[in-house]
Amino acid sequence: NADVMQNPRHLVRRRGQEARLRCSPMKGHSHVYWYRQLPEEGLKFMVYLQKENIIDESGMPKERFSAEFPKEGPSILRIQQVVRGDSAAYFCASSPSLGLVEAKNIQYFGAGTRLSVL
Amino acid sequence: AQKVTQAQTEISVVEKEDVTLDCVYETRDTTYYLFWYKQPPSGELVFLIRRNSFDEQNEISGRYSWNFQKSTSSFNFTITASQVVDSAVYFCALSGRGNTDKLIFGTGTRLQVFP
Repeated sequence: NADVMQNPRHLVRRRGQEARLRCSPMKGHSHVYWYRQLPEEGLKFMVYLQKENIIDESGMPKERFSAEFPKEGPSILRIQQVVRGDSAAYFCASSPSLGLVEAKNIQYFGAGTRLSVL
Repeated sequence: AQKVTQAQTEISVVEKEDVTLDCVYETRDTTYYLFWYKQPPSGELVFLIRRNSFDEQNEISGRYSWNFQKSTSSFNFTITASQVVDSAVYFCALSGRGNTDKLIFGTGTRLQVFP
């Protein structure tokens, strides 16, 4: 799982600032998912992306949150004008491309980014 | 709607005891996948097992075993002879057909194993 790289591990922001969270998927994986874990809760799906495309953003707040997965480089989850309620652990997961039947559907997670908003 | 329920919020056992973590799910899909992940104190999520809806065979991996019963919509996880290193939060999750679907997680069960 350590092969899904997230940075930074910890991020502290003041209210109103922007937070940028990065995720590099496992080698060969072209599907990226972002989840949010609030304190003492399970993980909640936010967004699913393939290279250069957002496939499902049904779990992402409509305002202040955006995600991208460019052709080159890591996936970015961006939170503008952060508020205290954004404090959480944000996890990225990746899965293989279609066609790998045995590995299909398993999502491998990074170590997460813990965002604290002061 | 899809839903995963882990009714046990926290379980404490003494080393070498067996412990079972319960997971009950709801889905209307005929093809679906069930997962268990472990989140140790260090915070990362570690994949443990995936089971598809057509495979009801129980699985054993070392001290870990899983009991999948479609009749009761349950996918329970048993740790035999627990060890302190098993202390973690364990999440059960559900995914629909195909590898493009999001995971629906339960709220997790915190397992504490005391020496």
